[in-house]
Formats: sequence, structure tokens, C-alpha cells
Amino acid sequence: EAGVTQFPSHSVIEKGQTVTLRCDPISGHDNLYWYRRVMGKEIKFLLHFVKESKQDESGMPNNRFLAERTGGTYSTLKVQPAELEDSGVYFCASSQGQVRGEQFFGPGTRLTVL
Amino acid sequence: AQSVTQLGSHVSVSEGALVLLRCNYSSSVPPYLFWYVQYPNQGLQLLLKYTSAATLVKGINGFEAEFKKSETSFHLTKPSAHMSDAAEYFCAVTNNDMRFGAGTRLTVKP
Repeated sequence: EAGVTQFPSHSVIEKGQTVTLRCDPISGHDNLYWYRRVMGKEIKFLLHFVKESKQDESGMPNNRFLAERTGGTYSTLKVQPAELEDSGVYFCASSQGQVRGEQFFGPGTRLTVL
Repeated sequence: AQSVTQLGSHVSVSEGALVLLRCNYSSSVPPYLFWYVQYPNQGLQLLLKYTSAATLVKGINGFEAEFKKSETSFHLTKPSAHMSDAAEYFCAVTNNDMRFGAGTRLTVKP
């Protein structure tokens, strides 16, 4: 069974540009989560989808971030326009069933904004 | 509100020595607690989890953790460190979303 995959693995962009990150969860997992780790700090929750609906987006830093999960399968996270402080590693995770269960994580996308 | 605090951002042990990584939690409801490990260039991998069953939880690669409600702790241990254990370890608590500690980087010296 394929795990959670994320694309790209690395992205280097200039301030003001747009970047779109993609996450493919494990097939059949209704819950999809986005997290971010800024260098040296804790991994922070961004948002949670249940199928195609946003269950909780309380962790989204500002309106430059837009997450979608059309059709309840893969998800995208767009940053527009990117700022220097957006640099970090963006993790996606998925789970099935109960919300408090184990989450399966992807390898992350390392975003560098210059 | 829920949170975890990991004591020590870096821990260094000799190969064969005891590994002890500390995690304290804060939770308004009975917590579900997790330890994840991240090896270089890989995603987070679940080591073990506590979900209100046995207080001593055994995980993969010889790791275990004990849930102590009186101390609000969930420390991770391994009796004998191996070079392959060098990685970053994250403690986490979950309710609707998962809250992580800042991580502890484990170095194993030969």
C-alpha cells in the first residue's frame, strides 16, 4: 500500500511568487492534515480536511495560504504571494476513522523563500 | 487546550547506553499521546502510541514509553542505544488536531 506522498520534495522561490504544494493521502483516508515546521521550531497544525470539507483551519497563518481538497482525494496548499517567513517544511498527514487515531505522514516539502 | 513539552532539544548517548527522551503533556481531557521519529530526508514514522489502555506502551525498534498521569509525563526509553537510532523524535498529543513538541535530536556516539 502506498503511503502519503508529497510533491515537490523541495521548492525554492523568490519572495512574491506563488507556490503550490500537493499531497496525496493514503487511499481511503477521509482525514487529511497539513502541518508546517519552521526551522528549529515545533511542527504546527495548519488545517484539517474531512473528505472535501475543511473541518478546522484555525492554524492557517493568514489569507495568503489557500488549501483545497476537491473531490476528497488529493489536496493542494497554495501560498500566494510567498514571504520569507513562509520558509519551512510542510508536512501532510492522513488518517481514517477516528480523529484521535494515528496519522500517517508524508516526507514533507521543504519550501525556501528567498 | 492541549500541548506537549519536550525537555532537551539535543540528547547524546553512547552506543549501548540507555536512551531517555522526556515529554510532558497538558490536556483538559484524557490524552492520546504519540511518539514519532524522523530520520533524515524521511517523513515522520510512528514509534508508539498511548490511547488509554495499558500505561506502558511498547513500540517499534525496542522503544517503549510509560504514561504517568500523576506526573503528566510520557517519556520515551530504550535500554540500549544503537547507531541507527540517531534521528529526531517528536512527542505529540491529539484531540481534534495533533500538537507536537519541538523535537529532540538524538545523537548516538560509537
